[in-house]
This record gives sequence, structure tokens and C-alpha cells, in this order.
Amino acid sequence: QSALTQPASVSGSPGQSITISCTGTRSDVGGYNYVSWYQQHPGKVPKLMIYDVTNRPSGVSNRFSGSKSGNTASLTISGLQAEDEADYYCTSKTNTASYVFGTGTKVTVL
Amino acid sequence: QVQLVQSGTEVKKPGASVKVSCKASGYTFTDYNIHWVRQAPGQGLEWMGWIYPKSGDTNQAQKFQDYVTMTRDTSISTVYMEVSRLTSADTAVYYCTRGVSSGYPDWGQGTLVTVSS
Repeated sequence: QSALTQPASVSGSPGQSITISCTGTRSDVGGYNYVSWYQQHPGKVPKLMIYDVTNRPSGVSNRFSGSKSGNTASLTISGLQAEDEADYYCTSKTNTASYVFGTGTKVTVL
Repeated sequence: QVQLVQSGTEVKKPGASVKVSCKASGYTFTDYNIHWVRQAPGQGLEWMGWIYPKSGDTNQAQKFQDYVTMTRDTSISTVYMEVSRLTSADTAVYYCTRGVSSGYPDWGQGTLVTVSS
């Protein structure tokens, strides 16, 4: 199972919106509404930001939103803040009941 | 509250095995899969597999099927992940995490495994 494809880096100024893409195949992203997103600050444990494509866990800012079209899922961060600077990973269930992570995206707040 | 507490740092020689534990509390242990995820230094997250504590069923990524074993002890709400025939490529932080629907809301603190001669 190959890793899902994410852009290596995305940047934006405070207050702007950015979108991170996560591209897979019909065997994973395109076949299931089981995509989740994680934020990881350096040296820290990953934090769940979005699950089941669009759902936000309790306590996660509503500035974070998820969507999916075909084989590509997306995470949008609106009203970008300095604290959003981190690495972001997507993951999806696959047709073999396994899971696969994306390659990761470094978000930089300019 | 949900807690996953992992065993401590390990240093192993190439060819050896390592067994990492993950003790769960704060929820019904047998109701949720425990997944294992690793992260090599400076690299991304890599999904390794899951175990369903109620039955002991497992599902592992193909690359780990021949040298990673996941087990559990329901009497002490603990899962184990053993990696055999270690090489330097297995040097990583290993995390256990509880699967809820498609997400992992709860994570262990991570266990650093260093493989060095």
C-alpha cells in the first residue's frame, strides 16, 4: 500500500486560509468516508483534528474543516494562526481493512 | 479519562527483538482496536497494524507481516507489539493509539526504539 500523496509544504499569512490535499485511489480515499487528519508539533504526539472526512472532535477549533472529492481529501485551515504551524498528516482506511498515512505536509505561517 | 501508557525507551542490537507494551485505561478495553504507528527520526507517520483486543484478531501492513507480532492480555488491559530481526531502519518512535471510527483520538506517549551496534 503506497502512502497517500500530500504537498510537502504549504504556507500562508496570519488570517488567511490554506488547504492541504491528500490524494489516494479508489482503494482507499475514494472508496471510503474514513479519512482523518492529524496535527503534529515538533517532538509532540499527533493530535486528531478531523475524522470520517468532515467531523471535528470536541475541542478542535472550527477553523479546521475537512472535505473529499473523488480520490482526494482536503483539510482547510481558515483564519490561520501562528499556533497552526506544524506538520499535518492524513490517513485513510483501505480495501484490505488496513490504513495508510499521507506523506505529511509542513504548514508554515509567514 | 482515556490513557494509553507505553513502556520505556529501548536500545537494541541489530538482529535482536523488542517488545513494546501499551496499557489502556479509562474505557472498555475490549471495545476498540488498538493501532500501532511508528515515526522514524525526521520522517512521517507510518501505520503498522491493529489488534482487536476482544478476539485478538490483527491486521498488519504488508511490509510488517513477517516480522511484527501484535498480542494482548485482556486481564491487564495491555497490548504488545513485538518487532523481530531488528535493523537500523526500525529505529523510530513507536506509538499505540485507540481507533474510534476512522480516527485516533487517544495516543500513548511513544516509545523510542534505537537499533545500533
